Amino acid sequence: GAVVSQHPSWVICKSGTSVKIECRSLDFQATTMFWYRQFPKQSLMLMATSNEGSKATYEQGVEKDKFLINHASLTLSTLTVTSAHPEDSSFYICSASTSGRANEQFFGPGTRLTVL
Amino acid sequence: AQKITQTQPGMFVQEKEAVTLDCTYDTSDPSYGLFWYKQPSSGEMIFLIYQGSYDQQNATEGRYSLNFQKARKSANLVISASQLGDSAMYFCAMREGRSNYQLIWGAGTKLIIKP
Repeated sequence: GAVVSQHPSWVICKSGTSVKIECRSLDFQATTMFWYRQFPKQSLMLMATSNEGSKATYEQGVEKDKFLINHASLTLSTLTVTSAHPEDSSFYICSASTSGRANEQFFGPGTRLTVL
Repeated sequence: AQKITQTQPGMFVQEKEAVTLDCTYDTSDPSYGLFWYKQPSSGEMIFLIYQGSYDQQNATEGRYSLNFQKARKSANLVISASQLGDSAMYFCAMREGRSNYQLIWGAGTKLIIKP
């Protein structure tokens, strides 16, 4: 149980285009979903926290107009990188949190974005 | 000040040996949780083990155990009988009681198991 999927696994796009990444909790309802960005050989950097039906809470320094997050249901959150540029190339990981004892986060497999 | 510190950027360990990955933390919140995740080269974050601040006993999950020393604010991960498949990045993370499930992450330790 507690499986989180991400789609696509990797994507290459041209500079200036927008890319949408989906994060789904397959077998549980996630009250909260998180979006992370990870640069090579570095730790995860939290971008935003989203709760179903409400606006996402962005971390300091993350442009909300560039990284649009929509949490339409308890099983789906999307991250749209708008007008992507090469510096947006990164590994994006989502996670979904349950309300269990540990409130642990279950992670998706990640999406590798390359912007040409 | 860093809230989660992993002092070992990388480690080489012989197969079948036990390995300890260090993690120290800093918080003033009496209620917190400590997590260890494994990230293989594929990128997926795999949950390994959890320790709550009020748990009386050290957490264990198969070959993984957490050496929780509350007074020293350390939560080291111990992997017994290491296997080649244990080669990965390992991250220690903390959730403070007052946060909205947010995790604070350490820098990670790259573990390489030698045959």
